[in-house]
Amino acid sequence: EAGVAQSPRYKIIEKRQSVAFWCNPISGHATLYWYQQILGQGPKLLIQFQNNGVVDDSQLPKDRFSAERLKGVDSTLKIQPAKLEDSAVYLCASSSLAGLNEQFFGPGTRLTVL
Amino acid sequence: QKEVEQNSGPLSVPEGAIASLNCTYSDRGSQSFFWYRQYSGKSPELIMSIYSNGDKEDGRFTAQLNKASQYVSLLIRDSQPSDSATYLCAVYNTDKLIFGTGTRLQVFP
Repeated sequence: EAGVAQSPRYKIIEKRQSVAFWCNPISGHATLYWYQQILGQGPKLLIQFQNNGVVDDSQLPKDRFSAERLKGVDSTLKIQPAKLEDSAVYLCASSSLAGLNEQFFGPGTRLTVL
Repeated sequence: QKEVEQNSGPLSVPEGAIASLNCTYSDRGSQSFFWYRQYSGKSPELIMSIYSNGDKEDGRFTAQLNKASQYVSLLIRDSQPSDSATYLCAVYNTDKLIFGTGTRLQVFP
């Protein structure tokens, strides 16, 4: 079974530029999550989708971050414009509805904002 | 009070010893509990899930849950240098997984 796929793996941009990350969850997983992990901290949930609907986006900085999951499969997270404090690893995870809340993570995208 | 608390470490243990990692959580309504292992520069990997009070064993790993004390732990028997990583405790409550900051484990030969 293929795991969660993410791209790109690394991205370096200057502040005020925009950037987009892509995620493809494990096949059949209805729920998809985007997390932000800052060095030395645990992952922090940004947004949760179930199929193509948003379940929780309470911690998403909506003035600059946006995410979509149009067909209920893969998802895109965008930052526009980026700030220095957005430097972090952006992790995508997925879970199945019958999976007892177990979440499986992709390899992540390491974003550096200069 | 943090929702999920872990000692950041590092916890240093010799090869072959038992490593004991601890986690406390604040919300009594929490339903599910997880341990993730994260190697430096890698993403978190799920290694244990526990849902009811008591012990759950999987190979060299044992997860222990005490809901009355709001405490969950992970024991790693016969620790190996390859177990050196950060171990993240995660607690599921009201549709959200809350992570601790992780405990860094170092296993020395």
